[in-house]
Amino acid sequence: GQQLNQSPQSMFIQEGEDVSMNCTSSSIFNTWLWYKQDPGEGPVLLIALYKAGELTSNGRLTAQFGITRKDSFLNISASIPSDVGIYFCAGQSNNAGNMLTFGGGTRLMVKP
Amino acid sequence: NAGVTQTPKFRILKIGQSMTLQCTQDMNHNYMYWYRQDPGMGLKLIYYSVGAGITDKGEVPNGYNVSRSTTEDFPLRLELAAPSQTSVYFCASNTNPGQGDTEAFFGQGTRLTVV
Repeated sequence: GQQLNQSPQSMFIQEGEDVSMNCTSSSIFNTWLWYKQDPGEGPVLLIALYKAGELTSNGRLTAQFGITRKDSFLNISASIPSDVGIYFCAGQSNNAGNMLTFGGGTRLMVKP
Repeated sequence: NAGVTQTPKFRILKIGQSMTLQCTQDMNHNYMYWYRQDPGMGLKLIYYSVGAGITDKGEVPNGYNVSRSTTEDFPLRLELAAPSQTSVYFCASNTNPGQGDTEAFFGQGTRLTVV
């Protein structure tokens, strides 16, 4: 099946620092999505990317859909304590069911 | 504004027992999915459905069954629980994936422990 490699697996940063995480795939995706999961909750969508090369921002978050359609990154600027959580990338291809393939997640910890 | 609702939130099963994880959505979404999330890992697709009466296997379907008799409901059945099925299960729904407005909505999860 399709594989998504997400890195880093975890980050422990100081409040106010910028954060960058990325996902790479051996397969092409038509859509890239970034989710955040808080403890005990389901993932919640942060940003959706639909076109190769697209750069999209949502407040302090910026994400890009790689030109090759095999990668994406998420940046968080000026991190705050509530940014703590697990961030997942997900790729969607136009196969049967339009299934999402998830990366392994990046656990973000922010030190006040 | 319920969205995707899963029940129960927690369950402990003995090996060999069976149970059904319930999932319902009130957004009239055609696409529904069941994922499992093991500790420190991403989500793996168990089964999915593209509409009432239609289901198909995902990446890790063994040991599970699903049905989709209505648009709203997508229950996941474990017939003979095994310790390897200890995980957190998430149900999700989506309206028109691949149409440029994809957003999969997730339930809050069911934490299952098999002992």
